[in-house]
Amino acid sequence: AQSVAQPEDQVNVAEGNPLTVKCTYSVSGNPYLFWYVQYPNRGLQFLLKYITGDNLVKGSYGFEAEFNKSQTSFHLKKPSALVSDSALYFCAVRDSSYNTDKLIFGTGTRLQVFP
Amino acid sequence: KAGVTQTPRYLIKTRGQQVTLSCSPISGHRSVSWYQQTPGQGLQFLFEYFSETQRNKGNFPGRFSGRQFSNSRSEMNVSTLELGDSALYLCASSPMPLAGGETQYFGPGTRLLVL
Repeated sequence: AQSVAQPEDQVNVAEGNPLTVKCTYSVSGNPYLFWYVQYPNRGLQFLLKYITGDNLVKGSYGFEAEFNKSQTSFHLKKPSALVSDSALYFCAVRDSSYNTDKLIFGTGTRLQVFP
Repeated sequence: KAGVTQTPRYLIKTRGQQVTLSCSPISGHRSVSWYQQTPGQGLQFLFEYFSETQRNKGNFPGRFSGRQFSNSRSEMNVSTLELGDSALYLCASSPMPLAGGETQYFGPGTRLLVL
C-alpha cells in the first residue's frame, strides 16, 4: 500500500533562516506528490506538486521541494523563513491501489518560525 | 475565481441525529472529494464524485454517504451520528479526477461537533 511519512511533529526555525520539512514516501510506480499548508481553522492550501519532470519543484509563497527517487523523499524547503510561514504542513501522495484513487496524507509537521 | 465553499462552517449535533454537509466546487471543476480530519486519525479519504458518480470510497461505514448534482455541487450525509464523528470535514475539488495528476483545492471545512 502507498504511504507517506513526516518524521518530525514540529520544526522550529528562526526568521530569516532556511527551513526544511521532511517527507518520505512509499509507492509502487511513479509517485504523484503534493504539499499542502493548513492555517488555524482553515482548510488546506495547495503549495506545490511533483508529477514528472524536474526534480526541483517551485511552488507558492517561495516554497520549493526536491523529489529524490533514490531516497524516496520529497522535502519541502524555503531559503528564508517568515513568521507568517508558521502553520501545519502536510505531505500527500496519490494512492491508486485497490481500485481507488485518493490522496494519502502524512501526519503533518507543525512549523514554528520565531522572530 | 471563487474557491471551494462549504456550508455550514460549524455544526453541533447530538448522538443519533443525522447531518448533511454541502460543498460547492470551483467553477468548472467536476471532481469533488471529501476528507475527514481528526486529531487522532489525521486526514482520511471519504469518497470522490465525478460527473454525479461515486468513483472511489474510503474505509468508512455505510452511515457516511454522499452525492453529486449535475452542477457538480456535492453533499455528504452522516446518519446516526456517533461521538467519534466529531471532526473537520473537508471538501476538495479538481477539474478532473486525480488520475490525471490534477491538483485538489480544498474548502475551509465544516467543523462538526457531536454531543
